[in-house]
Amino acid sequence: DVKVTQSSRYLVKRTGEKVFLECVQDMDHENMFWYRQDPGLGLRLIYFSYDVKMKEKGDIPEGYSVSREKKERFSLILESASTNQTSMYLCASSWDRGYTFGSGTRLTVV
Amino acid sequence: DQQVKQNSPSLSVQEGRISILNCDYTNSMFDYFLWYKKYPAEGPTFLISISSIKDKNEDGRFTVFLNKSAKHLSLHIVPSQPGDSAVYFCAASEGDGNEKLTFGTGTRLTIIP
Repeated sequence: DVKVTQSSRYLVKRTGEKVFLECVQDMDHENMFWYRQDPGLGLRLIYFSYDVKMKEKGDIPEGYSVSREKKERFSLILESASTNQTSMYLCASSWDRGYTFGSGTRLTVV
Repeated sequence: DQQVKQNSPSLSVQEGRISILNCDYTNSMFDYFLWYKKYPAEGPTFLISISSIKDKNEDGRFTVFLNKSAKHLSLHIVPSQPGDSAVYFCAASEGDGNEKLTFGTGTRLTIIP
């Protein structure tokens, strides 16, 4: 089974902090994604990557950046955390016909 | 603009009966559709998918129907079981489901024992 591992289940950060969310997959997948899930809004795409060193903006990239230095690792960076970035963050890698998601990181910005 | 819509935020169904979850989309470039199931504090898990060249796909208790002309798909669960209680997201892709997905807002399904 493909495993997508997100480094933290729960995080609490202060406004203005730089925050790193890490995601690692173990199946040599080319494609990786970061989504956030909010009540009533579903899952919204922040950034994605189809190859190492490659990154593309999703639907809501403002306030975020990403890094993909190695194929298996895709990091989401909140440059200066704000309270409206409090959310559940989900990383995924894609296989032939769909995604495998990590368990999510519940981030609270205070 | 919400390109994938799930108009029912919640649905309650008696155990053993059929659950029908609906999804509408607006982007005619969508070619591949998927359903995901999500329990609290877990990531979504893939349930079933359908390509636009088909109008039905079945996997055990789960069947997905696609009506391209109406831009509508539905997920049928028969019979419904308590373990089916979860949030269900439909998603659409312009490719083969391997690329970026556009998700709906989700429907919370509760199965009543």
